[in-house]
Amino acid sequence: GENVEQHPSTLSVQEGDSAVIKCTYSDSASNYFPWYKQELGKRPQLIIDIRSNVGEKKDQRIAVTLNKTAKHFSLHITETQPEDSAVYFCAASDSGGGADGLTFGKGTHLIIQP
Amino acid sequence: GAVVSQHPSWVICKSGTSVKIECRSLDFQATTMFWYRQFPKQSLMLMATSNEGSKATYEQGVEKDKFLINHASLTLSTLTVTSAHPEDSSFYICSAGKYGEQFFGPGTRLTVL
Repeated sequence: GENVEQHPSTLSVQEGDSAVIKCTYSDSASNYFPWYKQELGKRPQLIIDIRSNVGEKKDQRIAVTLNKTAKHFSLHITETQPEDSAVYFCAASDSGGGADGLTFGKGTHLIIQP
Repeated sequence: GAVVSQHPSWVICKSGTSVKIECRSLDFQATTMFWYRQFPKQSLMLMATSNEGSKATYEQGVEKDKFLINHASLTLSTLTVTSAHPEDSSFYICSAGKYGEQFFGPGTRLTVL
């Protein structure tokens, strides 16, 4: 089955700086790679996703890059703000996110220092 | 939009009892729903895939006789934790796929005493 590795487990950055979280996956059939933000006790919230037919996607301060050859994808957050503090999870699926469940990374606790 | 609800949001039960958790897609039909479990400070782990009108598919290591899943309609899937024990205490989250992405329910916090 799919295995998703995520690094780092904790990331502390100064407010206004950029944050980068990296994930690798094992199953070459995976074609859907979402990123979720989760606050304590709440459901995961999709912040951005990318499919295997593109290499990069951006939405305001958030961007995701995908390297299918190397089987890794990364989340980039620029101009970080205190409200960005949360746990972030990457995930992978081989069905475009609809028909099959997601395999999650172990999460990154992002701390934005004021 | 695509809204998924869960009930109850939290439940406390005694060891040995069974607990049922409902997952509903409120504004769309979901032939497939997913159940995840999340222990404190850990990631979400897929437990099973719930298919409307057929048997659920369980991930390796998940006891199908302990975690009973019923997907009786296109908008409702239920997870029953049978003979619950303290080690089953966790955050259970369901999701359904729509528009090529997963929509998550708010989760159910289960505490087994």
